[in-house]
Amino acid sequence: SQQGEEDPQALSIQEGENATMNCSYKTSINNLQWYRQNSGRGLVHLILIRSNEREKHSGRLRVTLDTSKKSSSLLITASRAADTASYFCATGTSGTYKYIFGTGTRLKVLA
Amino acid sequence: KAGVTQTPRYLIKTRGQQVTLSCSPISGHRSVSWYQQTPGQGLQFLFEYFSETQRNKGNFPGRFSGRQFSNSRSEMNVSTLELGDSALYLCASSLKTSDTDTQYFGPGTRLTVL
Repeated sequence: SQQGEEDPQALSIQEGENATMNCSYKTSINNLQWYRQNSGRGLVHLILIRSNEREKHSGRLRVTLDTSKKSSSLLITASRAADTASYFCATGTSGTYKYIFGTGTRLKVLA
Repeated sequence: KAGVTQTPRYLIKTRGQQVTLSCSPISGHRSVSWYQQTPGQGLQFLFEYFSETQRNKGNFPGRFSGRQFSNSRSEMNVSTLELGDSALYLCASSLKTSDTDTQYFGPGTRLTVL
């Protein structure tokens, strides 16, 4: 079973709009990572946020982490058609040497 | 620096056969993890290796096994294939110098079991 649940499952927006997707998890973590996957290919790492961090930015990406609510959000600003992909969160717990992936959000950006 | 490579990219097998998938990590990376991705179950952790030792294993039957060689390359084997084993198998490598290392994924091997 997967620890992470992502919301929404699917999201369709116009180019230039912002896209927000959320990830909830169940147990204590020491880091959370976001990945992008295009059409069943390999996953591309986007950003890592540690449990003692609340917010991180990378280009058009902004990630927040609320460990008290066991949730994270990924914001993509000024979306482009090339951002069309599935986005996954993955949580890491100290000493387990594995990541648990969320169910993913399918983002479609319309030109 | 070359990325994670996986071979073969596509495989078609029949039920009852066995299959071996290969993963070459990024140079210098000592940790290799394997994941299975299916439409129904999503991405599920199979196992993780570091310096030829399996440190964790997911909830999969014993038909799924793996190993890591001294050069950090890894293989996973699935014996007595079932239709439900059809999936995208992803390998990821990391330095694993800490619990917060980034995982870098390969393109995956698409296995179809007929």
